[in-house]
Amino acid sequence: DVKVTQSSRYLVKRTGEKVFLECVQDMDHENMFWYRQDPGLGLRLIYFSYDVKMKEKGDIPEGYSVSREKKERFSLILESASTNQTSMYLCASSLWTGDYGYTFGSGTRLTVV
Amino acid sequence: AQSVTQPDIHITVSEGASLELRCNYSYGATPYLFWYVQSPGQGLQLLLKYFSGDTLVQGIKGFEAEFKRSQSSFNLRKPSVHWSDAAEYFCAVGRGHFNAGGTSYGKLTFGQGTILTVHP
Repeated sequence: DVKVTQSSRYLVKRTGEKVFLECVQDMDHENMFWYRQDPGLGLRLIYFSYDVKMKEKGDIPEGYSVSREKKERFSLILESASTNQTSMYLCASSLWTGDYGYTFGSGTRLTVV
Repeated sequence: AQSVTQPDIHITVSEGASLELRCNYSYGATPYLFWYVQSPGQGLQLLLKYFSGDTLVQGIKGFEAEFKRSQSSFNLRKPSVHWSDAAEYFCAVGRGHFNAGGTSYGKLTFGQGTILTVHP
């Protein structure tokens, strides 16, 4: 089975800190995604990557950046964390064309104080 | 743009009762439709998906969903709910999206989610 691993389950950071959320998948998937999940809003796409060093903005990219230096790893970066970025962050991966069966990680619950 | 609406934020049922979770979508072409489940503290797991063909789709854990084009709906059903079904359920619509390199991949848009509580 494909496994998507998010390095931290819970994270508490201070306002203004630079925060890195790491995601690793082990099945050579081309596509990787970062979502944030908030009650009543469902999942909203922040950024996605379809190849190494390739990325595209999702629906809510403001305040975030990403990095994909290796195929298996996709990092979400909060350049200067703010309290409104307190949320659950979910990473997902999928195969190339026509595959919509995303595999999700367990999530990182980030609290910015 | 595609969108998904789950009208019910929270549903409570008794164990053994039947279940129906509603999902309505907005999309210009034939949609690809999905249901995911998220157990507490877990990531999302794919329950079932509809691409084409038979409009009644069977999934894992005894769930099924029916695509009704005339109603723009893809409701999830289960005839008898178990306590372990308590979770949050997400409907999603997918479409092909072309990246900057011109290659298509699947992009999902999720609904707001429905929290299911099961009473013993």
